[in-house]
Amino acid sequence: TQLLEQSPQFLSIQEGENLTVYCNSSSVFSSLQWYRQEPGEGPVLLVTVVTGGEVKKLKRLTFQFGDARKDSSLHITAAQPGDTGLYLCAGAGSGTYKYIFGTGTRLKVLA
Amino acid sequence: GAVVSQHPSRVICKSGTSVKIECRSLDFQATTMFWYRQFPKKSLMLMATSNEGSKATYEQGVEKDKFLINHASLTLSTLTVTSAHPEDSSFYICSARSGDYGYTFGSGTRLTVV
Repeated sequence: TQLLEQSPQFLSIQEGENLTVYCNSSSVFSSLQWYRQEPGEGPVLLVTVVTGGEVKKLKRLTFQFGDARKDSSLHITAAQPGDTGLYLCAGAGSGTYKYIFGTGTRLKVLA
Repeated sequence: GAVVSQHPSRVICKSGTSVKIECRSLDFQATTMFWYRQFPKKSLMLMATSNEGSKATYEQGVEKDKFLINHASLTLSTLTVTSAHPEDSSFYICSARSGDYGYTFGSGTRLTVV
């Protein structure tokens, strides 16, 4: 069974601060996705990374896929209250379209 | 863009009854749909993978007879929670996969069994 551990589990920061969320596994993934979910809603896809070492930027969010494709990070610069939510990574193994979700990181950005 | 509609958004049912949840891809054909369950303040747990015209593939530990999945067309998958009990209360979310749009999630269904 593929397990994806995210850290930290909870994070409460002030507006304007930077933060990094980590997603780690002992398994190799062919692709990894990051989602943000707000209470009572489904997750919304932020990014998909497929190549080891790949870095993608989405405005103030920077996503990195580890060289060995076992881990990933999400860095947010100058966090804003609108960034508050549950951040989830999800990985799929080779030859499958089935994504397994990480344990989640709950972020709260205080104004 | 791709839109997945999930209904109902909330349902309360009595213990022992069955509840059907629908997941529709509105503007694309979904070759594969996935059903997840989410406990409060927890991550998503994959329950099953649903392919159009074939039987669903269930994850280990998920009861096939309790959680019936039907994927009768390329735009519709249903999850029926049979003989529901309070411990089945949860947030159920579907996602649909297409070659063009990747993965799109529905808005979820909050099931409360009383």
